[in-house]
Amino acid sequence: EIQLQESGPGLVKPSQSLSLTCSVTGYTITSGYDWSWIRKFPGNKMEWMGYISYSGSTNYNPSLKSRISITRDTSKNQFFLQLNSVTTEDTATYYCASLLWASFDYWGQGVMVTVSS
Amino acid sequence: DVVLTQTPSTLSATIGQSVSISCRSSQSLLDSAGNTYLYWYLQRPGQSPQLLIYLVSNLGSGVPNRFSGSGSGTDFTLKISGVEAEDLGVYYCMQATHAPYTFGAGTKLELK
Repeated sequence: EIQLQESGPGLVKPSQSLSLTCSVTGYTITSGYDWSWIRKFPGNKMEWMGYISYSGSTNYNPSLKSRISITRDTSKNQFFLQLNSVTTEDTATYYCASLLWASFDYWGQGVMVTVSS
Repeated sequence: DVVLTQTPSTLSATIGQSVSISCRSSQSLLDSAGNTYLYWYLQRPGQSPQLLIYLVSNLGSGVPNRFSGSGSGTDFTLKISGVEAEDLGVYYCMQATHAPYTFGAGTKLELK
């Protein structure tokens, strides 16, 4: 079974970069699926942030396009999120998820990130 | 971006009651190939979201058949025929017809 696990700092200062890792087990990320980041803000609003495909191409939410980068390390079967110039409005729980035919089938448990000085 | 409006925002139900959640889209979700990319997810307390329904009316893997989805164009409905305690949580509709993917604001199902 595919399992995903997010990791990264829970606290980031305003104007700095947020960096998270998603480790995937049970499936090789170059075999298929697109690998996505989604966040849930306080108050339940959900936002799809972007994905990296099994081939390495990326697709980002235009609302984040100038600040976001999703990359991968195929040797470690991991993919990464970097969000630059964060503000308090980026405080959220961040999830990684597998994406197949526009369906988010498998999710990580989520990591809560607070942006605060 | 496509706006998905879910109603109600909160739903109180007793065990065994049948309930419905509405999801209305600001644009038709029918694409030029005849597909409608409308999904339903449930996030139970303390858990990650789980896929319930894909492509409007198809049950996700392992999802009980008391859940059903219907609709077309801009109007969609999730129905639970006989709420069970494990169904409590926040329900989201999501569309993937138009970039970027967008989610509804969520409907919280709680026990009356």
